[in-house]
Amino acid sequence: AQKVTQAQTEISVVEKEDVTLDCVYETRDTTYYLFWYKQPPSGELVFLIRRNSFDEQNEISGRYSWNFQKSTSSFNFTITASQVVDSAVYFCALKKETSGSRLTFGEGTQLTVNP
Amino acid sequence: GAVVSQHPSWVICKSGTSVKIECRSLDFQATTMFWYRQFPKQSLMLMATSNEGSKATYEQGVEKDKFLINHASLTLSTLTVTSAHPEDSSFYICSAPGQVSNQPQHFGDGTRLSIL
Repeated sequence: AQKVTQAQTEISVVEKEDVTLDCVYETRDTTYYLFWYKQPPSGELVFLIRRNSFDEQNEISGRYSWNFQKSTSSFNFTITASQVVDSAVYFCALKKETSGSRLTFGEGTQLTVNP
Repeated sequence: GAVVSQHPSWVICKSGTSVKIECRSLDFQATTMFWYRQFPKQSLMLMATSNEGSKATYEQGVEKDKFLINHASLTLSTLTVTSAHPEDSSFYICSAPGQVSNQPQHFGDGTRLSIL
């Protein structure tokens, strides 16, 4: 069975602070995909990143960066110099390699960035 | 890019009403679509997987007779909440898998259902 754990239910920071959202996963598969999604108050899910299990390179995209550690089954997400517009719920998700397979979501982390 | 269109975006209706939610893939064919439900301050929970031309696969605990799913064509899946009650009020989201296994799912914008 697959499982994704986001231990931080809510995080509150002040604008310009850096913040890291934790994600730990469980799977018996050797090949899988990991995702991060952003859900603003309007509700739609915004895709942020996909990571293949065989690619442990960290990735940076603007103020966003991701740290994938297969040895600890973690896929953490850092926002540098946070902004008010970053306030949202962030979900980490896991998917089998098989085409058309479902996503297993974590519980989500509510990030509030205060001015 | 691939787009999934979900309608309506918001529904408010009386208890006992049946409500139909549509999920369309606009520029690609989707033999499979997923339906999720999300209660306030909770995660997305998979309700069922709809399969074009065959019966949907429901997750444990989801009432098949309550949540009717029809996947009549390669671009349309519908979820009908039959005889809705206040406890059915939730945010419902559909998605279609990426056409290649490593692609992210394409999500609709969701439907907020409020039953009075």
